[in-house]
Amino acid sequence: GEDVEQSLFLSVREGDSSVINCTYTDSSSTYLYWYKQEPGAGLQLLTYIFSNMDMKQDQRLTVLLNKKDKHLSLRIADTQTGDSAIYFCAESLNNAGNMLTFGGGTRLMVKP
Amino acid sequence: GAVVSQHPSRVICKSGTSVKIECRSLDFQATTMFWYRQFPKQSLMLMATSNEGSKATYEQGVEKDKFLINHASLTLSTLTVTSAHPEDSSFYICSARDVTGLEQYFGPGTRLTVT
Repeated sequence: GEDVEQSLFLSVREGDSSVINCTYTDSSSTYLYWYKQEPGAGLQLLTYIFSNMDMKQDQRLTVLLNKKDKHLSLRIADTQTGDSAIYFCAESLNNAGNMLTFGGGTRLMVKP
Repeated sequence: GAVVSQHPSRVICKSGTSVKIECRSLDFQATTMFWYRQFPKQSLMLMATSNEGSKATYEQGVEKDKFLINHASLTLSTLTVTSAHPEDSSFYICSARDVTGLEQYFGPGTRLTVT
């Protein structure tokens, strides 16, 4: 079955770059997503990438996809204390939503 | 951008009672809504998929008679937890997909505590 894995925790200093990694097992994954969850809140879609792309950049966010290794990463440049949250990667075979499989989430702590 | 709201944001109920959680798409029509459950420090687990005007599709292991889902309109889906038990205490998050099906928008979540 599908499996999405992330490291549990990442700590960085304010102003540094953060890199959150994710691996997945289903080679049929078509869409890969990054969500942000702040304490006590729902999920906010940060960005997504199609499987035929290697990279996508959106302001401070850069997503890299290595389809061969089934590895997805999210880089946050100039990390701010407001970036402290849990980040979930998710995969989908299509964009039907009901096929979303989430990773366990990476808690990012940004120290001033 | 598209906004999904949930009500209530927090609810405490006694064992054996029922509680209803509402999920609304505020500025778009949602043909499909999803209900997730999130345990502390864990990922989201899809409970069911709800399509407007039809019966919800439940994921394996989710009791449909305990978690009643109604999607009566294109902007509202409700999840009713019946005969609540302390083990039902959790964070419930809904999401909605618009008619184009290109994105899924998440609600802010409802924290349910059953005493």
